[in-house]
Amino acid sequence: EAQVTQNPRYLITVTGKKLTVTCSQNMNHEYMSWYRQDPGLGLRQIYYSMNVEVTDKGDVPEGYKVSRKEKRNFPLILESPSPNQTSLYFCASRDRAGVQETQYFGPGTRLLVL
Amino acid sequence: GESVGLHLPTLSVQEGDNSIINCAYSNSASDYFIWYKQESGKGPQFIIDIRSNMDKRQGQRVTVLLNKTVKHLSLQIAATQPGDSAVYFCAETLNSGYSTLTFGKGTMLLVSP
Repeated sequence: EAQVTQNPRYLITVTGKKLTVTCSQNMNHEYMSWYRQDPGLGLRQIYYSMNVEVTDKGDVPEGYKVSRKEKRNFPLILESPSPNQTSLYFCASRDRAGVQETQYFGPGTRLLVL
Repeated sequence: GESVGLHLPTLSVQEGDNSIINCAYSNSASDYFIWYKQESGKGPQFIIDIRSNMDKRQGQRVTVLLNKTVKHLSLQIAATQPGDSAVYFCAETLNSGYSTLTFGKGTMLLVSP
């Protein structure tokens, strides 16, 4: 089954404690991205990767890091989380940059930073 | 499941009705548009797309209309079913889909049996 998986699905942490949210896809997609979703603001892109070892900032990259060492994995790293990073996070992947109709989203990770 | 918004515009319809969900997009240069469906506790799911050289595109039970003059998109769902209950987002982008997507805030569709 084609899917994007994220872990953990729910996370409560404290300010300043480094955390990583993993994302993995099994479709051999080149393009992967991270979004955050906040009430009243919609989905906003944090970072994206067009292929292995190629990453770039989206619209709201501050406070986040990513890496793309393997094609299937695209972890999101919060080195020093702050309460304004409390949000619902989605990882997504698609075949290639311009092929939006193949884009799949993961189930989401709900993060609460105290 | 996770809530995606506390104060989303809501459209309530009866099963079997046709639904029309509207979206005003922001950038007159956008040339590619997508509608997504997000069910409670899940990630968004691609429904249908349209390029700016088209005014209308039809899928299975769904139709998207594009009015570039007033920067307006609509999603029509025929014979709405309870399983259509979800939040619907439009998204716009440039360069035929190669640029970052800009998402609308969404509309919640509630379908009563």
